Amino acid sequence: DAKTTQPNSMESNEEEPVHLPCNHSTISGTDYIHWYRQLPSQGPEYVIHGLTSNVNNRMASLAIAEDRKSSTLILHRATLRDAAVYYCILSRRAYSGGGADGLTFGKGTHLIIQP
Amino acid sequence: DTEVTQTPKHLVMGMTNKKSLKCEQHMGHRAMYWYKQKAKKPPELMFVYSYEKLSINESVPSRFSPECPNSSLLNLHLHALQPEDSALYLCASSQATVYGYTFGSGTRLTVV
Repeated sequence: DAKTTQPNSMESNEEEPVHLPCNHSTISGTDYIHWYRQLPSQGPEYVIHGLTSNVNNRMASLAIAEDRKSSTLILHRATLRDAAVYYCILSRRAYSGGGADGLTFGKGTHLIIQP
Repeated sequence: DTEVTQTPKHLVMGMTNKKSLKCEQHMGHRAMYWYKQKAKKPPELMFVYSYEKLSINESVPSRFSPECPNSSLLNLHLHALQPEDSALYLCASSQATVYGYTFGSGTRLTVV
């Protein structure tokens, strides 16, 4: 699996935007870029994912570089509830038959939100 | 229903016990997964079931035995575990990579 590189931790202030970077220089053409977050004592939570184009949903935006070797998760207005470990993960497009390979988690970025 | 439900939430078992973890989803997802997460570490993939067939086993010891009785249920049977197997066990499901994965909140297992 192609690897991702994320900062170990980042700190931001409440009600400010947060930009979480992820490098994936060995990404292949069929790799999706996934972002998940994990709050303490909970399972990972889906945030967003994309292939080539930027994506927006109610939780966040995903900006993907033109060469796809990096991406940025954008939380538009951080709250204390956004404090979590954020994982950037590459996942191959599901092979025919509808199955999936599972996600390989890296160490992620521990996001700290200051009130 | 957009959830993955795991039971029990907490489990304490002795090294000679046999126990099972249960995972259920009713989203019609055809792939289901078991992960193990030690404290302050990322989740590690253990098993993948695709269309109720085991498709990936990440070299997990045989004291962990997965079972997929139907498309909505996934079990993890535990036998003769060691204290180092104490961890958070997470279940997940997906329709396909293009749609993302849904995780349960996990079973916190302590082996004594």
